[in-house]
Amino acid sequence: QSALTQPRSVSGSPGQSVAISCTGTSSDVGGYNYVSWYQQDPGKAPKVVIFDVSKRPSGVPDRFSGSKSGNTASLTISGLQAEDEADYYCCSYAGSNTWVFGGGTKLTVL
Amino acid sequence: EVQLVESGGGLVQPGGSLRLSCAASGLTFSKYWMHWVRQAPGKGLVWVSRIDGDGGSTTYADSVKGRFTISRDNAKNTLYLQVNSLRAEDTAVYYCAKQVGSGYFFDHWGQGALVTVSS
Repeated sequence: QSALTQPRSVSGSPGQSVAISCTGTSSDVGGYNYVSWYQQDPGKAPKVVIFDVSKRPSGVPDRFSGSKSGNTASLTISGLQAEDEADYYCCSYAGSNTWVFGGGTKLTVL
Repeated sequence: EVQLVESGGGLVQPGGSLRLSCAASGLTFSKYWMHWVRQAPGKGLVWVSRIDGDGGSTTYADSVKGRFTISRDNAKNTLYLQVNSLRAEDTAVYYCAKQVGSGYFFDHWGQGALVTVSS
């Protein structure tokens, strides 16, 4: 049950695109198409922005997209906006009814 | 509208115990698997435990196995986490989260309850 690996921080200017990686193993990210991504503002509860690797819940802008290759999943945010500045966490189902989160990435909009 | 409201957090001494509650409304509670996720101050999210709809099946993160117990009372629409043998490293905000009915992600979260373990 080791945490998934995410970069500590990423940054981009308004209008640009950024990608956040999430690396696990064949027992979690690579083994299941059940990667989800959560956006968390300071002092708030997380909110899902991507589920099942690449699906967006209703209400989440289509600027948010997800993908996966092997043991690494990625969240891409295009057309960055100031309101996207937040912490982002990946999460993967890890089998046997357990889940594992990534360490989190702080997104700064310059 | 689904609402999850945690309570029961507080300051507890090392080795002590606490029971966290999560009151759910706006949903047919018994239909959903529920989870606890914690976040130490300034740190990331960590999955803690999960319980199925009727409470008959539970799973835990290795770090809390044997010390934490998840349970639910579907008649009261309430999820619980009994936390025993608390350590300083258990200090965190504890969130309850609802798993979506047909998937493997969390679609609703509570606001969190802070547990501080300190002498």
